[in-house]
Amino acid sequence: AQTVTQSQPEMSVQEAETVTLSCTYDTSESDYYLFWYKQPPSRQMILVIRQEAYKQQNATENRFSVNFQKAAKSFSLKISDSQLGDAAMYFCAGGTASKLTFGTGTRLQVTL
Amino acid sequence: EAGVVQSPRYKIIEKKQPVAFWCNPISGHNTLYWYLQNLGQGPELLIRYENEEAVDDSQLPKDRFSAERLKGVDSTLKIQPAELGDSAVYLCASSLQGSAGELFFGEGSRLTVL
Repeated sequence: AQTVTQSQPEMSVQEAETVTLSCTYDTSESDYYLFWYKQPPSRQMILVIRQEAYKQQNATENRFSVNFQKAAKSFSLKISDSQLGDAAMYFCAGGTASKLTFGTGTRLQVTL
Repeated sequence: EAGVVQSPRYKIIEKKQPVAFWCNPISGHNTLYWYLQNLGQGPELLIRYENEEAVDDSQLPKDRFSAERLKGVDSTLKIQPAELGDSAVYLCASSLQGSAGELFFGEGSRLTVL
């Protein structure tokens, strides 16, 4: 069984500042992947960043980075130098190549 | 390269009526997913296809929902008859087999059942 928990329904950040979105998960799989997806108001969900569980090094993609704590089953997303275009719903997801479980999402607001 | 295409974007129907959603995945993606997204929730898997075979339909309510993926490309999700609780967004996604779970989503079909 897999569960993904996002405990922050909404977050707000000022433009150019840094924000961290939290995610915890539970899985019985030994080999799994973790993802952060972004869903802007148009609803098309896009991949932000991916982490393979067997890799100890935290993934980074430009202004986006993760803090992967495997023992604690924690997978947070840090957005640096926030931009207005970062405003969206962010979903944490985890699982195997064939099945992902999504969290309930965090709505990120970016203010001037 | 074209992304995942879904239609219709919006559909309003009376309860007990049938409805169908269509999805065209990214060319070459042999894995196709239908997800249900309720308001304020994350997507939940309904069915997953590998080519034309439904390999995981354990969460599909088979009394009223059906899906098909003829020729392993386009897919159709049908609800008959629709109930009030079916109001949601139906998302289609596709991926390359063995792509470590990276999904490409369409814009979704928002269903309102009155």
